[in-house]
Amino acid sequence: NAGVTQTPKFRILKIGQSMTLQCAQDMNHNYMYWYRQDPGMGLKLIYYSVGAGITDKGEVPNGYNVSRSTTEDFPLRLELAAPSQTSVYFCASTRLNSFAGNTIYFGEGSWLTVV
Amino acid sequence: AQTVTQSQPEMSVQEAETVTLSCTYDTSENNYYLFWYKQPPSRQMILVIRQEAYKQQNATENRFSVNFQKAAKSFSLKISDSQLGDTAMYFCAFMKQGSEKLVFGKGTKLTVNP
Repeated sequence: NAGVTQTPKFRILKIGQSMTLQCAQDMNHNYMYWYRQDPGMGLKLIYYSVGAGITDKGEVPNGYNVSRSTTEDFPLRLELAAPSQTSVYFCASTRLNSFAGNTIYFGEGSWLTVV
Repeated sequence: AQTVTQSQPEMSVQEAETVTLSCTYDTSENNYYLFWYKQPPSRQMILVIRQEAYKQQNATENRFSVNFQKAAKSFSLKISDSQLGDTAMYFCAFMKQGSEKLVFGKGTKLTVNP
């Protein structure tokens, strides 16, 4: 079972560079999320998507962009990387049904360092 | 906006003993869900247990159980017969019904000592 797959697992970026974190899920989940986790902190929501073609901002969207062209994929784009974006990034997904609160499945995380 | 507070940054317990991690939350919602996630050194987020607010019965999963006090907005996690593999960060999380978005606490670092 692949679940939620994130790539790359580790990346070092220079200030001002751009990159895309890839996320794919094979569970036919309609909801997908990107979270970031700073040292000693909980996870904060960057962007989320309720289905293909629909995205919305979370708590900390500045400096990021997302797209959702398919149900399976939800890439996170960093434009003009800054040291403040050094963090661990988690992609997650879940299926919406008539009762909210379904289990959210997380990927293994992507460690990003901006120097 | 909902907030989740974990007042214990770090805790330790001896192997085979019982430990309780605290979590309180603030919300004006009546229908919601609460979760405990475990994050071992590998950093992967693993669901430990979940509780529906409309259920009075406390959720249990093997050695893990919760004490859900809705009026007090408290949601503590009890780990019985602690094992070395329980060493991890534990995050309490809240989800409003219909939101499908998790709000996390800052976490409690649990160390199980041999």
